[in-house]
Amino acid sequence: NAGVMQNPRHLVRRRGQEARLRCSPMKGHSHVYWYRQLPEEGLKFMVYLQKENIIDESGMPKERFSAEFPKEGPSILRIQQVVRGDSAAYFCASSPNSINYGYTFGSGTRLTVV
Amino acid sequence: DQQVKQNSPSLSVQEGRISILNCDYTNSMFDYFLWYKKYPAEGPTFLISISSIKDKNEDGRFTVFLNKSAKHLSLHIVPSQPGDSAVYFCAASEGTTSGTYKYIFGTGTRLKVLA
Repeated sequence: NAGVMQNPRHLVRRRGQEARLRCSPMKGHSHVYWYRQLPEEGLKFMVYLQKENIIDESGMPKERFSAEFPKEGPSILRIQQVVRGDSAAYFCASSPNSINYGYTFGSGTRLTVV
Repeated sequence: DQQVKQNSPSLSVQEGRISILNCDYTNSMFDYFLWYKKYPAEGPTFLISISSIKDKNEDGRFTVFLNKSAKHLSLHIVPSQPGDSAVYFCAASEGTTSGTYKYIFGTGTRLKVLA
């Protein structure tokens, strides 16, 4: 069984460009969670999605950030007009339902904004 | 406001000895606690958890203790092995009020087990 797959593993963007981060959940999982880890900090919750629905986006910055989880295909975290402060590791996790006692994370995407 | 605190950024322990990682929290609404382990360039891996109705949970070499009155939990690893060298994150959730999906993480403790 493949785990949670994230790509790309590393992404370099110039200031002002767009970044697209992809997350394919584990087989049979329809719930996806995105977290961000800034340097020297813990992971911070960003958004929780089910197929075609955003359930909780309370951790998403108000501007430039969006997430989707379409009926077909991976979940996408999109950051428009990136700034240096967006440089971080972005982790995705998935679960088969909304009751969680320790979900599984992917290996993350390390975004560097130059 | 850091609701989950891991005040020791690093810890070194001799192989075979006990490793004790500590975590404090401020939110009395937290009712579920987890420990994750993270190797460089990998995602966090779930290790062990505990519900607030318990004060101890054990899984092999790993035991988590919860002291609700002190708002403190700890992870014990006995015996420590070099492969345990990693960053350990404590996390908590307010399952009954906010859902069990949102975890609040501490900043992590880097454990180094010396051979």
